[in-house]
Parts: sequence; structure tokens; C-alpha cells
Amino acid sequence: DAGVTQSPTHLIKTRGQQVTLRCSPISGHKSVSWYQQVLGQGPQFIFQYYEKEERGRGNFPDRFSARQFPNYSSELNVNALLLGDSALYLCASSLESGAYNSPLHFGNGTRLTVT
Amino acid sequence: AQSVAQPEDQVNVAEGNPLTVKCTYSVSGNPYLFWYVQYPNRGLQFLLKYITGDNLVKGSYGFEAEFNKSQTSFHLKKPSALVSDSALYFCAVRDSLSDSNYQLIWGAGTKLIIKP
Repeated sequence: DAGVTQSPTHLIKTRGQQVTLRCSPISGHKSVSWYQQVLGQGPQFIFQYYEKEERGRGNFPDRFSARQFPNYSSELNVNALLLGDSALYLCASSLESGAYNSPLHFGNGTRLTVT
Repeated sequence: AQSVAQPEDQVNVAEGNPLTVKCTYSVSGNPYLFWYVQYPNRGLQFLLKYITGDNLVKGSYGFEAEFNKSQTSFHLKKPSALVSDSALYFCAVRDSLSDSNYQLIWGAGTKLIIKP
């Protein structure tokens, strides 16, 4: 079975632009989470979606938004990009909504560089 | 507030020697603890988790971790290190009393270097 797939793998944008990142979960997984990982730090939680509904939002500005589609794939959108948005964006899927029930399965991430 | 600390930025171990990567946590309720590994330019891979029960948890690739409630620690261990174990290791926790049953709190990571 395919793992979590993310696209694109790398992206370069300029300040003020908008970006859309995509994620396809493991087949059968209904929960998708998004994390931001700045170089040298651990992942920071952005969003979780389960069965197409937002189940949680981390401490990120409203410039960040996401959605989950009927096939459980997901998109993360970031508007008005800032230099500080440069990071590795990770998508993770899991069977259940609660992290304690099932481990997260991560994609390889999208490396976003904002210039 | 929930938090995770990985006190060592880097751990160096000779191949064949035992390794330990340290993790301490702070939660209000009971902790649900996880270890993940990250190879260069890759996502994180799940190694093991502690939810309840036996304090010694066994996971993937020969790794194990010991939960110590009194010391609020969850150290990752392996009896004999391999060069291929060299990677970035993350500890994460969720608080049983948290309203956010999906959000993991992550440590900053420990770079493990195994020398031949």
C-alpha cells in the first residue's frame, strides 16, 4: 500500500504570495493532520481534520487554512506568505481521530521556501 | 501546560554500544508518549508508544523505551547501536486531560550519531 503522499516536494514563493499544499492519506485513513517543522525544531501542530470536519487548530494565524475532501485527501493553504513561513510542512494520517489510539503516519513533507 | 524536553541536542555512540536518548515531559493528567525517527529530507516514522501497562515498551528496529512516572521520563534505548540508526529522534506527548485528543506536543529533537 502507498504511504502518505504530499505534493509538491519543494516550492519557492515570494512574500505576499499564496500557496496550496496537497496530501493524500493512506488508504482507509480518515484523519489528516498538518504540521509545520522549522529547521532545528520539532513539528508544530497546525490543523487536524477527521471525516471532512476540522477537529483542531493550532496556534497559527488565519492566513493558514485547510480542508479535507470526500476522498479524505487534504489541502493546506497559506495566504500572504511571510519569510517566517519557510519550513517543512508535514502531513500525517491516522485511522482514528485521537492520536492516542493510533500512531501518525507522515508523508515526506513539502519544503516551502519564501524569498 | 504540556511540554516535552529532550535535553541533548546530539548523542554520539560507537557502533555496537548501547544507546539512550532522553526525554522528559510535563502533563496535567496521564501521559500518552511516543517516539518518532526522522531521516534526512523525510517525514517522521513511528517507533513506539506508551499508553498504559508495562513500563518497558518495545518498538520497531530493536528500539525500546522505559516509562518512569516518578521521574516523568520516557527514555529511548537500544542494546546495540547500528550506523543506520543515525537520524533525528523526536519524543512527543499527549495529555489525557487535554481537550485536544489529536494534538501531540513535540520535543525539539535529538540528533543521534553512530560512529563505526
